[in-house]
Amino acid sequence: DTGVSQDPRHKITKRGQNVTFRCDPISEHNRLYWYRQTLGQGPEFLTYFQNEAQLEKSRLLSDRFSAERPKGSFSTLEIQRTEQGDSAMYLCASSLGQRSNQPQHFGDGTRLSIL
Amino acid sequence: DQQVKQNSPSLSVQEGRISILNCDYTNSMFDYFLWYKKYPAEGPTFLISISSIKDKNEDGRFTVFLNKSAKHLSLHIVPSQPGDSAVYFCAAQDDKIIFGKGTRLHILP
Repeated sequence: DTGVSQDPRHKITKRGQNVTFRCDPISEHNRLYWYRQTLGQGPEFLTYFQNEAQLEKSRLLSDRFSAERPKGSFSTLEIQRTEQGDSAMYLCASSLGQRSNQPQHFGDGTRLSIL
Repeated sequence: DQQVKQNSPSLSVQEGRISILNCDYTNSMFDYFLWYKKYPAEGPTFLISISSIKDKNEDGRFTVFLNKSAKHLSLHIVPSQPGDSAVYFCAAQDDKIIFGKGTRLHILP
């Protein structure tokens, strides 16, 4: 069991630049989720996919954010024109099955720092 | 507006004693609850869950209790061990997960 893998682990960039993160879920998991965690808070939901279909997007996901899961396997999260407030830990999770009561398994996250 | 609330930011417990972490929620439609544990620089790790049709679920040293009328959950860890020192998140799941802010548990030697 290789677990959920996220790349890179850390990203430091200047304000205004674009960044892209990758998530590789557990291989047989058909659901993939993105969350964001800031200091002192719990993770907050951003969006999720079932296979390649993006089923829900949070209001937190402004139009500068886009997520894809083109072949129903790995996913990318892109942030365009980054802002200071985008500094956070971006977490990916995956789960198996159609039902909502399957525990989600998290990767170790990508920490984004905007200078 | 916080739908899942953990009102204790931190808790210190002597090794070997019972740790009790509390959580309240506001939405009576939630029907599946989870606890996650998080170490620094790692992602949250699933610990234990409970469906709203139950009032207790046990897994080794970990027991979760659900009081639906009070909209309250608690996680009991007994006996507490040094490796239990971490941040614990209470959460409700409905497709997505709604997390509380977490409680940092310190196990004292």
